[in-house]
Amino acid sequence: DAKTTQPPSMDCAEGRAANLPCNHSTISGNEYVYWYRQIHSQGPQYIIHGLKNNETNEMASLIITEDRKSSTLILPHATLRDTAVYYCIVLKTGGFKTIFGAGTRLFVKA
Amino acid sequence: KAGVTQTPRYLIKTRGQQVTLSCSPISGHRSVSWYQQTPGQGLQFLFEYFSETQRNKGNFPGRFSGRQFSNSRSEMNVSTLELGDSALYLCASSLGRKSGDNYNEQFFGPGTRLTVL
Repeated sequence: DAKTTQPPSMDCAEGRAANLPCNHSTISGNEYVYWYRQIHSQGPQYIIHGLKNNETNEMASLIITEDRKSSTLILPHATLRDTAVYYCIVLKTGGFKTIFGAGTRLFVKA
Repeated sequence: KAGVTQTPRYLIKTRGQQVTLSCSPISGHRSVSWYQQTPGQGLQFLFEYFSETQRNKGNFPGRFSGRQFSNSRSEMNVSTLELGDSALYLCASSLGRKSGDNYNEQFFGPGTRLTVL
């Protein structure tokens, strides 16, 4: 499974959009991009996933570049409760050996 | 629907002992994965079970083992505990399908915090 690279930390003002980048330059054609987040002392929580089209759900939007080598998770209106570690993961369809990297620690400030 | 439950939530053991952790997946989920989380190494994949069979395995020594029962409940065992085994052990369940849908979302439990003295 492809490896991902994320910035170690980011800040965002409350109410503003948080844009979290992820690099996955070795991604292959049958690998999806997934995002999870982990709020302190809790288990990770699934956010969104995508293959090549942009995706949106009630939590976030996922923008994947045309060459699929990078993606951005967008939290449109960040709140203090969005402060967490965000993990970008690449995984094949039907794959279950999920490799979490170090993730990005997002601090949402009032 | 009830979420993933893990027992116990906290555990203190001494070096050399063994420990068994338990995970009850969401009803209907057949896949259970185990992860170890430490401040230094982050979240690391241990293994995944599906229909009582280990389907995927991470890079952990043989002291770490697991099993899954016919009702999909899973246990993880660590023998001959070392100080470095102190960690948060997380269990995640999913439907476990390998084909058809493009992804099987994993639902994580609250974890078992193991301290080895």
